[in-house]
Amino acid sequence: RKEVEQDPGPFNVPEGATVAFNCTYSNSASQSFFWYRQDCRKEPKLLMSVYSSGNEDGRFTAQLNRASQYISLLIRDSKLSDSATYLCVVNTEGGTTDSWGKLQFGAGTQVVVTP
Amino acid sequence: DARVTQTPRHKVTEMGQEVTMRCQPILGHNTVFWYRQTMMQGLELLAYFRNRAPLDDSGMPKDRFSAEMPDATLATLKIQPSEPRDSAVYFCASGTLIFSDGYTFGSGTRLTVV
Repeated sequence: RKEVEQDPGPFNVPEGATVAFNCTYSNSASQSFFWYRQDCRKEPKLLMSVYSSGNEDGRFTAQLNRASQYISLLIRDSKLSDSATYLCVVNTEGGTTDSWGKLQFGAGTQVVVTP
Repeated sequence: DARVTQTPRHKVTEMGQEVTMRCQPILGHNTVFWYRQTMMQGLELLAYFRNRAPLDDSGMPKDRFSAEMPDATLATLKIQPSEPRDSAVYFCASGTLIFSDGYTFGSGTRLTVV
């Protein structure tokens, strides 16, 4: 079983609609969670850090469910520019200062927003 | 915006040749990472450094790969000898211990070994 698993998609979303997808992780000691966005043939870019209480940044909402070991990303009012691959990132070694840097990336969920 | 600079952007080389990739992390970032991305494996962590000291390179094939930080402004990843299976995009990323900042990736080096 992979340490971080994502539905690869693609999620085809009409412009203006809402899309949500999850990411599961296997290490219950994981402390740090992120969502990154990667456009085709580009580098990953930080979209959001995920806080325990959940957090929102404009049209994007991230949630963490420690009991079920998953994080989610919801995109409201989808724009054409939201088309990308969304990478779930988890620190799989707990939260000590020296180990929190070892982040495991999921394979990504592709989102395609259509006119 | 501060950027992580990687060189070269593209590299085509013959099997058996040495390849050196370079990364200039963002000034003030004390943690530097090397990742490799392929279609089959996704993003794999190869090595990372904190304050120039190697913390973990367990993801790196030791017999042919080496990673160093000769100074705070330069990280290098070397492959010798290169093999066709090393063909991938190699990303460098840098960051601090500030959780909300995450890591910043460079544009990557696209390596093709023929």
